[in-house]
Amino acid sequence: QSVLTQPPSVSGAPGQRVTISCTGSSSNIGAGYDVHWYQQLPGTAPKLLIYGNSNRPSGVPDRFSGSKSGTSASLAISGLQAEDETDYYCQSYDSSLSVIFGGGTKLTVL
Amino acid sequence: QLQLQESGPGLVKPSETLSLTCSVSGGSISSSSYYWGWIRQPPGKGLEWIGNIYYSGSTYYNPSLKSRVTISVDTSKNQFSLKLSSVTAADTAVYYCARQRSYGGYFSRFDPWGQGSLVTVFS
Repeated sequence: QSVLTQPPSVSGAPGQRVTISCTGSSSNIGAGYDVHWYQQLPGTAPKLLIYGNSNRPSGVPDRFSGSKSGTSASLAISGLQAEDETDYYCQSYDSSLSVIFGGGTKLTVL
Repeated sequence: QLQLQESGPGLVKPSETLSLTCSVSGGSISSSSYYWGWIRQPPGKGLEWIGNIYYSGSTYYNPSLKSRVTISVDTSKNQFSLKLSSVTAADTAVYYCARQRSYGGYFSRFDPWGQGSLVTVFS
């Protein structure tokens, strides 16, 4: 059971906008620690998608955006494309001196 | 461009010690503001942080694995290593190494990651 809670799955039609939530607590996200998001294509290593809650690394399309409020964070993907169908993970830090991950969300493009 | 590459045995017997090495190229492992971490992913499951190390040798471990984990660094070879003792089938996973940004003792994002190394605990 992960410290950060993500929905197991989300779906959307091509061109639509979907959001993936990441819920923590007062000892991690609520304590002010940043949330980062990773995209993991099948059979490959996770790739940094969003860092510091809302920043995109170079090369990541602006269709991907992140936000944080209180004890939760969200990843939004607009203009859904077939290539976006894969797994997404959130990650943060906990006051117990631990790096923590969400359980992952599988995005299906209908 | 910084690259990381895991290496080590793909099969380990129960009760033995899993050993992996991460080789860093395209940059120095002795960079300030960065830790070097290990993360694992059991087949079909999510990501689990194992621990990380600074080039000086300072380490932090996941409390759930701390009693079995040792991470070390060899700055002369630009490598860091993972040892996980007393393995069981539950330790079967893809093991990733990655660089982790740190800010005054607070650990931030992982980037980049190695390609991963599948380790199977099998008798």
